[in-house]
Formats: sequence, C-alpha cells, structure tokens
Amino acid sequence: GENVEQHPSTLSVQEGDSAVIKCTYSDSASNYFPWYKQELGKRPQLIIDIRSNVGEKKDQRIAVTLNKTAKHFSLHITETQPEDSAVYFCAASAGTDKLIFGTGTRLQVFP
Amino acid sequence: DAGITQSPRHKVTETGTPVTLRCHQTENHRYMYWYRQDPGHGLRLIHYSYGVKDTDKGEVSDGYSVSRSKTEDFLLTLESATSSQTSVYFCAISRDRISYEQYFGPGTRLTVT
Repeated sequence: GENVEQHPSTLSVQEGDSAVIKCTYSDSASNYFPWYKQELGKRPQLIIDIRSNVGEKKDQRIAVTLNKTAKHFSLHITETQPEDSAVYFCAASAGTDKLIFGTGTRLQVFP
Repeated sequence: DAGITQSPRHKVTETGTPVTLRCHQTENHRYMYWYRQDPGHGLRLIHYSYGVKDTDKGEVSDGYSVSRSKTEDFLLTLESATSSQTSVYFCAISRDRISYEQYFGPGTRLTVT
C-alpha cells in the first residue's frame, strides 16, 4: 500500500541555524503534500503545502521543495527560533480523498 | 482554528466497555476523518466520511465503527475497548476532495485500563 517515510526522527539545531526534514512517498499518483506542526499537547496545524505542479513554495522562513521524479519532498526552516520546537509531520495524498502521514520529526531548537 | 470540537477531551474506561467519541464541526465541510496518534506511528487513519451516511475504512479500522447522520457530526465507536486502543484520537475535516487540506480538532485522550 501507500507509504510515507520521514527522516530524521529527531533533529537538534542551534537557534539561527537551518533545519531540513525529508520525506519520501511510494504512490506516483500522489499530487498533494502538506506539512503539519504539532506543539506538545496540541492539535496538528497545517503550516505549508505543495501540489505536484509546483517544485518549490516559500512562506517567510519556511519552504517546501518537491522532486516528483525521485518521489521525495522536504521542509526547510531557516533562521530557526525556539518557538519552532515541535513535532513536524509530512503527508502525501492517497487516492482522491485521503492523506498518508509520515511518522514525525521532533525538532528541538536550542537558544 | 477551524470550528471543530471533540468530546470528551479525556476518558478513562475499562477493557470490554463500549466507548463513543464525538466530532462536531461548524464549517459545513463534506469530509470528516478519524485518526489515532501513537508514539512512533504518526497519524493513522481509522475511518473517514465523504458525506452523510457515506463512510469508508482507513488503514487501522479493526475494532472501530463510525456513523454520520448529519453533516456536522461524526461519531467513532469502540464496540468493546481493548488496551491496544489506548491512544490520542484526532478528528479532521476537509472541504472537498479537490482541496485535500485537512484541519484537525483538539483531540481526545483515551485510556483503556
């Protein structure tokens, strides 16, 4: 079945450094790739998404890139801040109405 | 946050008892989803609904049933709770099949003893 792999599972960076989280997917028909941020004890929040007709999308300090040929996509966070500390989930569309999620990356930003 | 609420927010129950979790939305979105979240597994789809009385299974549907009699409400039932169903349950909504964007409710923490 469809599968999304996410790496790394944990990531520690110094404040101001960049962080990169990578995901690969198995279904070549996937065409929507969202990223969610989940703070401790809170709900997952959609922070950015990309569709298959676009290679890169930016929103202030976060960006997502997509390589459809290789079936992988990445989240880039620049100038990290302590409030970026959270668990980040990638996902890929499956069929016409579902998402398959990765297992999450715990990002810790140290002051 | 989108207009999504879940009830109860916390529940402790005993093995073998039935449990029903409720998701309520005020956005008039067509799609509603139930996920469970466990350490090391991310978010896994249990069941989803694409309209009133229209539901389908997700990847971890065994031991769960759902019902949707109104657009705004999606119920998840554990017919006979087991300790393996101890988890955090999230409801999500999506406007339609084209947008794909899903917005999550606040979650329900269920403990089965």
